[in-house]
Amino acid sequence: GQQVMQIPQYQHVQEGEDFTTYCNSSTTLSNIQWYKQRPGGHPVFLIQLVKSGEVKKQKRLTFQFGEAKKNSSLHITATQTTDVGTYFCAGRGYALNFGKGTSLLVTP
Amino acid sequence: GAVVSQHPSWVICKSGTSVKIECRSLDFQATTMFWYRQFPKQSLMLMATSNEGSKATYEQGVEKDKFLINHASLTLSTLTVTSAHPEDSSFYICSARDPDRDPVNYGYTFGSGTRLTVV
Repeated sequence: GQQVMQIPQYQHVQEGEDFTTYCNSSTTLSNIQWYKQRPGGHPVFLIQLVKSGEVKKQKRLTFQFGEAKKNSSLHITATQTTDVGTYFCAGRGYALNFGKGTSLLVTP
Repeated sequence: GAVVSQHPSWVICKSGTSVKIECRSLDFQATTMFWYRQFPKQSLMLMATSNEGSKATYEQGVEKDKFLINHASLTLSTLTVTSAHPEDSSFYICSARDPDRDPVNYGYTFGSGTRLTVV
């Protein structure tokens, strides 16, 4: 079945530093979604990428979908303490197949 | 819009008892809902797909007799953990998607989750 790998597992940055998490799939994805889960909370939808090579931006967040549609990345520029949480990528079949997530800790 | 309400938020039960968790779509109809389980510092694992008016589809390794799913209406799915044991302690989350919303701009909506502790 579809397997989605995500690295790194953890990332600790100083506020203002950049952060990137990478997602890789063993198979071609029709699309990929990104979610953010705050500590103690539930996942919240961030974005969906569909097209090969697609790049989307949301303020300080930049999402990319690889040309082969097997990998994706989320880059946060100048992190803030409000960015703390776990970021999941999810390949979508009939349900979401989540990566293991990257937990981001931002210290002031 | 696209709100999913999940209750209870947390529950503590004795080993051997059953616990029912409700998941409601408040402002849309969901023919399909998904149930996930999440252990501390781990990812969300799909347990089963709840289908309105028909049997749920369980993922490999999930005991259907232990995790009973009922989706009797287009806005309500329930997960009952039967004869709960300490190893069933986990964070259970439901999810659904509003079919009337553009999937590109609106993903799946998750309930707030239920933290189950079996003592």
